[in-house]
Amino acid sequence: AQKVTQAQTEISVVEKEDVTLDCVYETRDTTYYLFWYKQPPSGELVFLIRRNSFDEQNEISGRYSWNFQKSTSSFNFTITASQVVDSAVYFCALTPGGQTGANNLFFGTGTRLTVIP
Amino acid sequence: EPEVTQTPSHQVTQMGQEVILRCVPISNHLYFYWYRQILGQKVEFLVSFYNNEISEKSEIFDDQFSVERPDGSNFTLKIRSTKLEDSAMYFCASRPGGSRAYEQYFGPGTRLTVT
Repeated sequence: AQKVTQAQTEISVVEKEDVTLDCVYETRDTTYYLFWYKQPPSGELVFLIRRNSFDEQNEISGRYSWNFQKSTSSFNFTITASQVVDSAVYFCALTPGGQTGANNLFFGTGTRLTVIP
Repeated sequence: EPEVTQTPSHQVTQMGQEVILRCVPISNHLYFYWYRQILGQKVEFLVSFYNNEISEKSEIFDDQFSVERPDGSNFTLKIRSTKLEDSAMYFCASRPGGSRAYEQYFGPGTRLTVT
């Protein structure tokens, strides 16, 4: 069974502060893929990043960075110097491995981030 | 940039009525999905579709639900007899063929309100 836990329901930070969103996952598959999606107030789901289970390198994209640690089954997301436009609900998701075939995403419950100006 | 589109953006219907939610996936994508999100809750998988048939479905996707790809471009979700608890945002998604590593591209969603 697959499970994604985002223990932080809501976080508020003041603009320019750094913030880390936690994601812990459970899976029995040895190959799997992890994702982060952003859901702004307008409601759509915006893809942010994908990581496969064999690649534990951290990634940085502008103000965003991701820390994947297999040993703790975590895939945390850090926003540096937060901005008001970062206010959204952020979802971590997992899909089981395998090279092909339809697959569904298992989402966490999301973390609502509010950046206060 | 190609995107997934969904119509309508908001649908209000009475309990017991049938609704059809429409999606146009990205044109060269091969896998199609429906998810739903009850207000304030997480996004839940409903069904995946590949090669003109259902690939996987969740427990939520009971006999009241059906999916179809009627014309090679549209992908529809039908709810036969809506219930109050079907009120939710319904997202369509698609992805290219090949590795499951490819991300799913989501449409903007259809908000379904059942009264």
